[in-house]
This record gives sequence, C-alpha cells and structure tokens, in this order.
Amino acid sequence: AQSVTQPDIHITVSEGASLELRCNYSYGATPYLFWYVQSPGQGLQLLLKYFSGDTLVQGIKGFEAEFKRSQSSFNLRKPSVHWSDAAEYFCAVVGQRGATNKLIFGTGTLLAVQP
Amino acid sequence: DAGVTQSPTHLIKTRGQHVTLRCSPISGHKSVSWYQQVLGQGPQFIFQYYEKEERGRGNFPDRFSARQFPNYSSELNVNALLLGDSALYLCASSQQFEAFFGQGTRLTVV
Repeated sequence: AQSVTQPDIHITVSEGASLELRCNYSYGATPYLFWYVQSPGQGLQLLLKYFSGDTLVQGIKGFEAEFKRSQSSFNLRKPSVHWSDAAEYFCAVVGQRGATNKLIFGTGTLLAVQP
Repeated sequence: DAGVTQSPTHLIKTRGQHVTLRCSPISGHKSVSWYQQVLGQGPQFIFQYYEKEERGRGNFPDRFSARQFPNYSSELNVNALLLGDSALYLCASSQQFEAFFGQGTRLTVV
C-alpha cells in the first residue's frame, strides 16, 4: 500500500539557517509527489510538486525538493529560513492514479523558527 | 480568480446531530475531494467526485456522504455525529493531479 513517512515530528531552526525536511514514500510506480505548508488553523498551500523529469524541483517561497528514487525520498530544503516559514509541512503522494487521484499525506513536520 | 471556498468556517454541533459542509471549487475545476484532518495528523481522504460521480471513497463509515452539483460545487454530509468527528474538514479542487485546498471548516462536536 502507498504510504508517506515524515520522520521528524518537530524541528527548530534559527532564522537564517538552512532547512531540510525529510520525506520517504512507498509507491510501486513513479510517484507524483507534493509538499504542502499549513499555517495554524488554515488550509494547505502547495509549495512544489514532482511528476517527472528533473529530480530537483523549485517551488514557491524559495523552497526546493529533490526526488531520489533509490532512497524513496523527496526531501524539502531551503537555504535560509525566515521567521514566516514557521508552520507545519506535509509531504504527500498521489495514490491509485487513474480512477481516483487521492492524496496520501504524511503526519507532518512542525517547523519552529528561533530569532 | 477565487480559490476554493468552504462554508462555514467554524461550527459546533452536538453528538447525534447532522452536519452539512459546503465547497465551491476553482472555476473550471471539475473534481472535488474531501479530507478530514484530526489535530496533529495529516489529512485523510474521504471522497473524490468528478463530474458529479463518486470516483473514490476513503475508509470512513457510511455516516459520511457527499455529492457534487452541476456547477461542480460539493457538499459533505455527516450523520449521527460522534465526538471523534471533531476535525478540520478540507475541500480540494483539482486539475489533473494538482490539488488546491480551501481554508477548511473546523467542526467541533460536543
């Protein structure tokens, strides 16, 4: 069965420091992968997506992610974190492509940013 | 362009009651999906509708139902509410495989 694992429940970084959020997926074929960000009490905003092609994808707000098939990973990175990046981040994969395009989400990583 | 709109934003219901949540997709999007997000967890898939037909259903009891209207808006209905139904309910409209989410409806069951 398809699944997504985000090993880090909570991460704290200092403003200006680099960031890497981990995501591992389980999917039989080439996955369609996404990173979403959620501010408290809000909906989900799409940061970036990977369908095929270049394994390093650029997203909004200065985020990027790298797809590594050999490691079944799709880690999110940002070179310099801003205080406004504090939020919860979810990795997701499209499961059962075809009849339904449901998203399977990880449990999320809560990012705190220290001044 | 308006994004995905959901109503109401918050509501409080009593156990055993019924609730209807509404969603308007992005203009031109024909697919609407519903997700339940319990505090501290990732969203869980409930339903997907495309062109008024159910395309997928998650592992939720029959108390949960939904429908999609000719204008592609959608309703999620939950009967016989339980305390455990308290959650943020998210609607997403999609084009191909990219989903755009609304702000959600925060349902509290007391």
